[in-house]
Amino acid sequence: DAGVIQSPRHEVTEMGQEVTLRCKPISGHNSLFWYRQTMMRGLELLIYFNNNVPIDDSGMPEDRFSAKMPNASFSTLKIQPSEPRDSAVYFCASRKTSPGELFFGEGSRLTVL
Amino acid sequence: TQLLEQSPQFLSIQEGENLTVYCNSSSVFSSLQWYRQEPGEGPVLLVTVVTGGEVKKLKRLTFQFGDARKDSSLHITAAQPGDTGLYLCAGAEAAGNKLTFGGGTRVLVKP
Repeated sequence: DAGVIQSPRHEVTEMGQEVTLRCKPISGHNSLFWYRQTMMRGLELLIYFNNNVPIDDSGMPEDRFSAKMPNASFSTLKIQPSEPRDSAVYFCASRKTSPGELFFGEGSRLTVL
Repeated sequence: TQLLEQSPQFLSIQEGENLTVYCNSSSVFSSLQWYRQEPGEGPVLLVTVVTGGEVKKLKRLTFQFGDARKDSSLHITAAQPGDTGLYLCAGAEAAGNKLTFGGGTRVLVKP
């Protein structure tokens, strides 16, 4: 069975541009999480969904960030406009049950110049 | 927001030595997980502990959950170069859905 699939793996963009990160969770998993990882701040939870519904978005840095989950097999994280401080590795993870195992994708490395 | 503190932040040891990584919080967790992450990859689950005082062993790795469910430790016996990686603890709130990660401990095992 395929794991969590994220795209793109790498993105380099200029400040002010819109960035869209995509995630396909494991089929049958009910919860989806977006995390951001940097050396300074570690792995931060941005937002998570249960059954496609956003439950907690308190970790979303500001209004420039938005996330959607239109169906059980797809989610997006959008940054508009992007800033250099948004540079990080963004991970998507899914889980079938709580407190079950969190399965992570390989991450999307974002560099904003 | 529950805060998970890991110590040490970095550990460098020789192959064959033992090491212990700590994860502490002032909050109580319904469960705690340990993950290991290698460069360029996402974290991978090692173990989940749910009962205060619980001890779990995974080959050379021993995990302990504190009696009060506020802290945990990971002990590696006779470390090998393959144990090199970033070790992360993650705690779940009472509701169980939100998983908060500690800052991580970077372990380097030299051959």
